[in-house]
Amino acid sequence: DSGVTQTPKHLITATGQRVTLRCSPRSGDLSVYWYQQSLDQGLQFLIQYYNGEERAKGNILERFSAQQFPDLHSELNLSSLELGDSALYFCASSRNANEQFFGPGTRLTVL
Amino acid sequence: EDQVTQSPEALRLQEGESSSLNCSYTVSGLRGLFWYRQDPGKGPEFLFTLYSAGEEKEKERLKATLTKKESFLHITAPKPEDSATYLCAVQAQGNTPLVFGKGTRLSVIA
Repeated sequence: DSGVTQTPKHLITATGQRVTLRCSPRSGDLSVYWYQQSLDQGLQFLIQYYNGEERAKGNILERFSAQQFPDLHSELNLSSLELGDSALYFCASSRNANEQFFGPGTRLTVL
Repeated sequence: EDQVTQSPEALRLQEGESSSLNCSYTVSGLRGLFWYRQDPGKGPEFLFTLYSAGEEKEKERLKATLTKKESFLHITAPKPEDSATYLCAVQAQGNTPLVFGKGTRLSVIA
């Protein structure tokens, strides 16, 4: 158990819908990272937050957004969902920009 | 652009048959190279961080080494429970995001 929690574990929704994925980092970790993992692309970095502020952006679509709250939990919002958005979404946290510890992931299925 | 290439894509070993997984990388100033283990449908589990060429780290049957261009994950006398996908990632200087390779899928047969 990495200490990073993610909810929900599974999410099934339809095209065009909007969903919110939630992540709670390890106690004391200020950085939160979001990744998308699909079968053909591997782990792709989406976005990083540090103590509430956006720190880095990867290949995140404009339909996706995220935020980190004062209690350091983070949410990833995915809107206007398409079939190709079906993937595993992982959150990771770190204390000092070194090792990142990953949560169990949210499996999103868009039908 | 930072890149990570892992080989082979898949590896099948008999129990006790030692082998090595390769991670080749190009990065503009390496801050760290990371190895993770991932079981199907689960989150990656942190294994090692290597910071400079010549560094080695060990954990049970796993040993990670680093040169200026590549890293190896050596697996000695593997057991079926070592079956997983092993991911390599690099981080450039300046607290940049990790760049992952596509992984090596290891199967250890009893």
